[in-house]
Amino acid sequence: GESVGLHLPTLSVQEGDNSIINCAYSNSASDYFIWYKQESGKGPQFIIDIRSNMDKRQGQRVTVLLNKTVKHLSLQIAATQPGDSAVYFCAENPTNFNKFYFGSGTKLNVKP
Amino acid sequence: DAGITQSPRHKVTETGTPVTLRCHQTENHRYMYWYRQDPGHGLRLIHYSYGVKDTDKGEVSDGYSVSRSKTEDFLLTLESATSSQTSVYFCAISDYLNTGELFFGEGSRLTVL
Repeated sequence: GESVGLHLPTLSVQEGDNSIINCAYSNSASDYFIWYKQESGKGPQFIIDIRSNMDKRQGQRVTVLLNKTVKHLSLQIAATQPGDSAVYFCAENPTNFNKFYFGSGTKLNVKP
Repeated sequence: DAGITQSPRHKVTETGTPVTLRCHQTENHRYMYWYRQDPGHGLRLIHYSYGVKDTDKGEVSDGYSVSRSKTEDFLLTLESATSSQTSVYFCAISDYLNTGELFFGEGSRLTVL
């Protein structure tokens, strides 16, 4: 399968700080990327997506950056809150719009 | 929350027995997916459906079959469960082909002894 990995399996941040979660992908043909959030005991929840014709996209308190040169994706969360504590997954869509390949996830711990 | 119901939510079974997991949606979305989630592997696609009676394989389809006889129901069957199929199974739905905005169910935890 496709290789979608994460640099850090666990990230701890202080409440109010900004968080940056990184993701590397291996298929240069991938043109669509997604970030998901998964809270304990629940299914993943869509956060934000970005296509390869963009290098930045912003949502509410979240920003996704895409660097196609080094095949790197990041999710920035501004003013991290306790409710942001979860596991975050990146996913890529290489060639088939129906098939998404997920990374193994980064756990974000927000300390009060 | 999207109207997705998975059943059963928890199941313990023995090796060699058949198991069927059900995903039911009330959103009338065209696309439905089955993923499994295992530590260290994230989410891996088993099968997906792009319409009634239209299904295709994902990256880990061996040992699994699916059926979709109605828009709202997508069944995942393990004909003869093995311990390697112990996992948490998630159903997801989407309304568009070109989107990663999948809506996931709450998951079904399957333990094969």
